[in-house]
Amino acid sequence: SAVISQKPSRDICQRGTSLTIQCQVDSQVTMMFWYRQQPGQSLTLIATANQGSEATYESGFVIDKFPISRPNLTFSTLTVSNMSPEDSSIYLCSVARQGITEAFFGQGTRLTVV
Amino acid sequence: QQQVKQSPQSLIVQKGGISIINCAYENTAFDYFPWYQQFPGKGPALLIAIRPDVSEKKEGRFTISFNKSAKQFSLHIMDSQPGDSATYFCAPYSSGGYNKLIFGAGTRLAVHP
Repeated sequence: SAVISQKPSRDICQRGTSLTIQCQVDSQVTMMFWYRQQPGQSLTLIATANQGSEATYESGFVIDKFPISRPNLTFSTLTVSNMSPEDSSIYLCSVARQGITEAFFGQGTRLTVV
Repeated sequence: QQQVKQSPQSLIVQKGGISIINCAYENTAFDYFPWYQQFPGKGPALLIAIRPDVSEKKEGRFTISFNKSAKQFSLHIMDSQPGDSATYFCAPYSSGGYNKLIFGAGTRLAVHP
């Protein structure tokens, strides 16, 4: 298993500002992902955080808006840049070992942009 | 990202009844078929999963049925309990391919006492 600590758990931010979300895992993992989930909706994959290299972004998501860092095998950050109310959502960190027989999720960061 | 179609969108079941959630997929490269359960305010957690070499897997009250030819798999919850009220997601995976989980639209299950 893997225990994930995601911070902050929630935040209210002004439009035009940026927020950095941290994801810390209690053990080394091969794969780390960032998802977005609108309340009552499914999870949409933003990107795969790659250790030591640039993240791999899904269609519709760009590095300038969602810069991601992964300096080692247990930690990653997602920044939501130049926020607008449309960015209000829950952001979830997920980790898995190679093969993804089980993905583990943090509790999420509930972001509200006003 | 819409490679799977999950149904129904929502489901209301009486306590003790059977809940059935379906997932249809297109990509024949998928070789691992999990269901995730999510409670409000929490991240999803793996509930049960199946590989395509078997047609059914049972863990307690939860059963996955897999139909390879129809490219469908379903989650059956027997003797449904109010504590099963949650959102359920299918997330089929290809070990030789995308190396990421793509989730179905989700099914919100409410079990009434």
